[in-house]
Amino acid sequence: GEDVEQSLFLSVREGDSSVINCTYTDSSSTYLYWYKQEPGAGLQLLTYIFSNMDMKQDQRLTVLLNKKDKHLSLRIADTQTGDSAIYFCAESIDDYKLSFGAGTTVTVRA
Amino acid sequence: DTGVSQDPRHKITKRGQNVTFRCDPISEHNRLYWYRQTLGQGPEFLTYFQNEAQLEKSRLLSDRFSAERPKGSFSTLEIQRTEQGDSAMYLCASSLQRDTGAFFGQGTRLTVV
Repeated sequence: GEDVEQSLFLSVREGDSSVINCTYTDSSSTYLYWYKQEPGAGLQLLTYIFSNMDMKQDQRLTVLLNKKDKHLSLRIADTQTGDSAIYFCAESIDDYKLSFGAGTTVTVRA
Repeated sequence: DTGVSQDPRHKITKRGQNVTFRCDPISEHNRLYWYRQTLGQGPEFLTYFQNEAQLEKSRLLSDRFSAERPKGSFSTLEIQRTEQGDSAMYLCASSLQRDTGAFFGQGTRLTVV
């Protein structure tokens, strides 16, 4: 996972927007992904973006991709307490396996 | 529930014992993956199957680890002569092709005492 870097913690007030940032290293990655993990659970695929796209929006989620800088971000609008979790950025390697960052722990405070 | 299913959810074993985990992927998915996750880290790739063929094994997968997918459906991961360093969450995932993303099971948490 050392090829994908994320900030470790984010604290956000309920109702505000959350922005989680990620940098990756493999310029040949075709897809980039965001996963969510709640305590004791597996990973839930939230969204993904194809490398030729700049932006993808899916309900409260917006993914921005800056391929030149190898920077990916996930914006969660109107953050709710149920959004408290660890969020992982992942890049595809060799078109089938995933390289994950260490995860960003998002805490939503009232 | 038609998601990825893993069994058992938790396993406590004594050092030196063998353990086997099972993964049932989403039925139409031909690709199956095993990952390992330790506390505070993201998942690390262990191995990958396309149908019944094991196409890649990570360097993390020592000789004590073996994975099979005999009929291209469910998969097993066996760890022989477990060591304390094997304690981790073992995650299975499946996918069709890369553009759909991989779907993960709930994981098997292994504790070696």
